[in-house]
Amino acid sequence: GENVEQHPSTLSVQEGDSAVIKCTYSDSASNYFPWYKQELGKRPQLIIDIRSNVGEKKDQRIAVTLNKTAKHFSLHITETQPEDSAVYFCAAWGSQGNLIFGKGTKLSVKP
Amino acid sequence: NAGVTQTPKFQVLKTGQSMTLQCAQDMNHNSMYWYRQDPGMGLRLIYYSASEGTTDKGEVPNGYNVSRLNKREFSLRLESAAPSQTSVYFCASSEGTHIEAFFGQGTRLTVV
Repeated sequence: GENVEQHPSTLSVQEGDSAVIKCTYSDSASNYFPWYKQELGKRPQLIIDIRSNVGEKKDQRIAVTLNKTAKHFSLHITETQPEDSAVYFCAAWGSQGNLIFGKGTKLSVKP
Repeated sequence: NAGVTQTPKFQVLKTGQSMTLQCAQDMNHNSMYWYRQDPGMGLRLIYYSASEGTTDKGEVPNGYNVSRLNKREFSLRLESAAPSQTSVYFCASSEGTHIEAFFGQGTRLTVV
């Protein structure tokens, strides 16, 4: 079945530095890749997504890149701020209509 | 417009007790999902319903049953709760596949 691997599991950066989180997926039929942010005690919320017909998408300090051949996609956060501290999840849709998540990355941004 | 609403928010059960977690969405979405979230394990899919009248097993279905009562509601039932089912449960919905999914606020379940 569909599998999504996410690395690293924890990431600590200084405020102002960049953070990169990487994911790989297994189902070649996947064509939509969302990223969710979950603050402590809250629900996951979509922050950015990318479809397989583009290689990169940006939204202010956040960008996502996709390499469909290698089945890799990555989240890039520039100029990190303390409010970026949260758990980030990548996900991919399986061919059965199921949405599969990676295990998450806990990002800590130190002031 | 409430989005995805889960009840209850918190619950403590004794081993062997049964209960049903309720989920309702008001976005006219076709697809609904139940996930459990455990430390270090991410969000694992328990069951999903791609459309009204259909349900399918996800990654961790054992010990659970679901009912897609109508297009709005998707319930998760624990017939005989076990301590291993202590977790935070999230319901989600989406208009279809390959599109944004929206989450409820979660239910924190403790089985003692």
